[in-house]
Amino acid sequence: GAVVSQHPSWVICKSGTSVKIECRSLDFQATTMFWYRQFPKQSLMLMATSNEGSKATYEQGVEKDKFLINHASLTLSTLTVTSAHPEDSSFYICSARSGTVTGELFFGEGSRLTVL
Amino acid sequence: GQQVMQIPQYQHVQEGEDFTTYCNSSTTLSNIQWYKQRPGGHPVFLIQLVKSGEVKKQKRLTFQFGEAKKNSSLHITATQTTDVGTYFCAGLNFNKFYFGSGTKLNVKP
Repeated sequence: GAVVSQHPSWVICKSGTSVKIECRSLDFQATTMFWYRQFPKQSLMLMATSNEGSKATYEQGVEKDKFLINHASLTLSTLTVTSAHPEDSSFYICSARSGTVTGELFFGEGSRLTVL
Repeated sequence: GQQVMQIPQYQHVQEGEDFTTYCNSSTTLSNIQWYKQRPGGHPVFLIQLVKSGEVKKQKRLTFQFGEAKKNSSLHITATQTTDVGTYFCAGLNFNKFYFGSGTKLNVKP
């Protein structure tokens, strides 16, 4: 099946710094990628939809200036957590779909962010 | 906004017992997908339901989509320890998938 790679797997940073997470579709082109946030033992909360060549669309309550998303190519989307604070610590996971709008989602391995 | 609720939150069963998780949406869904997430892993696609009243089977797993396309269920017959994990439903609305709260299944051998 399709493969989505996410990097880094885990990152620890100091409060106030910015962290970039990359999501790559390795064997297919993804015009749309989705970024989710998952708190421990909770569900995946959709943060934003990343659209290749255009601005990301953010879900209600998600700060677009805080979570910068760039989808510069058909195989790469990046999420930058700017001026990170301890409350931003979480598991961030991207997904991509190939083909149709209703197609299955292929998930990256996730990135665990810890902000000290 | 879009809400997809899932019950129960946790289920502990003895190996061999059956298991069911239910998913309910506040709005009508275009389709619904089911995913399984093992501890420490990422969600993996199980199946997609599109038609009203649709029923699909995968070995011991039976998936149903409600007539009104607002609810769905996943039933596992005779659970095995390999079924351990969290099962999520994901509803498609306005080209986005919104995940249910998940049901964590623990199977005791």
